[in-house]
Amino acid sequence: SYVLTQPPSVSAAPGQTARITCEGNNIGSKSVHWYQQKPGQAPVLVIYHDTDRPSGIPERFSGSNSGNTATLIISRVEAGDEADYYCQVWDTNGDHRYVFGIGTKVSVL
Amino acid sequence: VQLVESGGGLIQPGGSLRLSCAASGFKFSSYEMNWVRQAPGRGLEWVSYISSSGDFTYYAGSVRGRFTISRDNGNNSLSLQMNSLRVEDTAIYYCARVAYGPTVVPSIGGDYWGQGTLVPVCS
Repeated sequence: SYVLTQPPSVSAAPGQTARITCEGNNIGSKSVHWYQQKPGQAPVLVIYHDTDRPSGIPERFSGSNSGNTATLIISRVEAGDEADYYCQVWDTNGDHRYVFGIGTKVSVL
Repeated sequence: VQLVESGGGLIQPGGSLRLSCAASGFKFSSYEMNWVRQAPGRGLEWVSYISSSGDFTYYAGSVRGRFTISRDNGNNSLSLQMNSLRVEDTAIYYCARVAYGPTVVPSIGGDYWGQGTLVPVCS
C-alpha cells in the first residue's frame, strides 16, 4: 500500500517559516491534503488539493507538491500554530483508501 | 456543519460496540462519510468509508469482516458496528465528511470532523 513519510518533528521561532515535508512515490501525481491537530482536539483541514486553503485558514498556510515530495509551509509562525500536522492522499490500490502520514509535531521555539 | 459522535466506552476484548455520528448543518444525504481512528499517542488511521446512498462501503484491512459501516439518511446519522473487538482497536473514533474539492474523486478524507468518541478495549 502507499506510504507517506513525514519527519517526526519540526521547530521554528516565532515569525520564521516552518516547512513540513511529506514524501511518497510520485506523490506529485496525487492530490495532497493537510490537517492540523492540536492536543485534545479533532483534526482540521488546512490545505487541500496541494495548495488550496479552506475558508477561515490564514494565508500564512500554503502548500506545494512536486515529484516525490509535498510540502506544507507555515509562514510567520505563531505560538498558536504549535500542533501535529498530517498529510493525506487518496489511494485506490492499497489496503487504505485514505492514507495518512505519521504526523509531524511543529514546535514553536 | 456539526458532527457529534457517541457510543464509545470501555469494552472487553471480543465484545461489540456500536458508534453513532449525528450530522447537522448540511445535506447529509449528499455526502460520503468516513470513520477515522487515532490510537493513544499515535497518528490518524482511516477505518471505513460509505457512499452517500449507502450502496458502497470500504474498509481498512485491519477491520474488514469485523466492522460494519451504515447510514440512515432520513435521520442524518452514521453508524459503525464494531464486533470482535481487539486491544489494538483502542482509539478515539472520529466521523468525518468526505469532500471532493475541484476534482471528481472523493480524495479529501475529511473537510469536517466530529470531536471523537473514545473506545478503550481492555480486560
